[in-house]
Amino acid sequence: GAGVSQSPSNKVTEKGKDVELRCDPISGHTALYWYRQRLGQGLEFLIYFQGNSAPDKSGLPSDRFSAERTGESVSTLTIQRTQQEDSAVYLCASSSDPVGDEQFFGPGTRLTVL
Amino acid sequence: AQKVTQAQTEISVVEKEDVTLDCVYETRDTTYYLFWYKQPPSGELVFLIRRNSFDEQNEISGRYSWNFQKSTSSFNFTITASQVVDSAVYFCALKGYSSASKIIFGSGTRLSIRP
Repeated sequence: GAGVSQSPSNKVTEKGKDVELRCDPISGHTALYWYRQRLGQGLEFLIYFQGNSAPDKSGLPSDRFSAERTGESVSTLTIQRTQQEDSAVYLCASSSDPVGDEQFFGPGTRLTVL
Repeated sequence: AQKVTQAQTEISVVEKEDVTLDCVYETRDTTYYLFWYKQPPSGELVFLIRRNSFDEQNEISGRYSWNFQKSTSSFNFTITASQVVDSAVYFCALKGYSSASKIIFGSGTRLSIRP
């Protein structure tokens, strides 16, 4: 498909385990965002990649969270030593226009930490 | 600092009523973009509209209309003759006019349309 895809769609893990979430942006989109959305709440910015610029990591809640992006392709969000409060839907979005930024969102990964 | 405030946490109206969702923003940028996104129960956010700060013309798209007023830093969204399918969470967002500027979302308004 032509949209943003994320995998897995659902992830259940035990407290203390590491998880990796994947985002495949729309081909050619230079901007990529990760957000966290807790149940019934708004979007919490995590990290922003724009082309080859240094990512804006100002939203990462702790050093257990990290993300990488290879060029303008796939991005992975890694959460180490997961905690129950990490349970949320993690959304990825990409954009072809880093200034005007109409974002296309993926379906999200629902993470449950037991 | 940039901030987006959606004071209405939840709104419930009967089908066919008109409803306005409020959005107030704060920014020091002289040039910026404003957005509305819809998140239906399925969960996937959908882009509705983008407005740049140069253009204060109101916009209408079918039953949807947007009222942008720089004087009050507001970008309100009205749905006319609401339908059950309009039930969703609606997010207002703000972005400065540079590629380095990240988009800031409001906390969202949950809209329920009762048949």
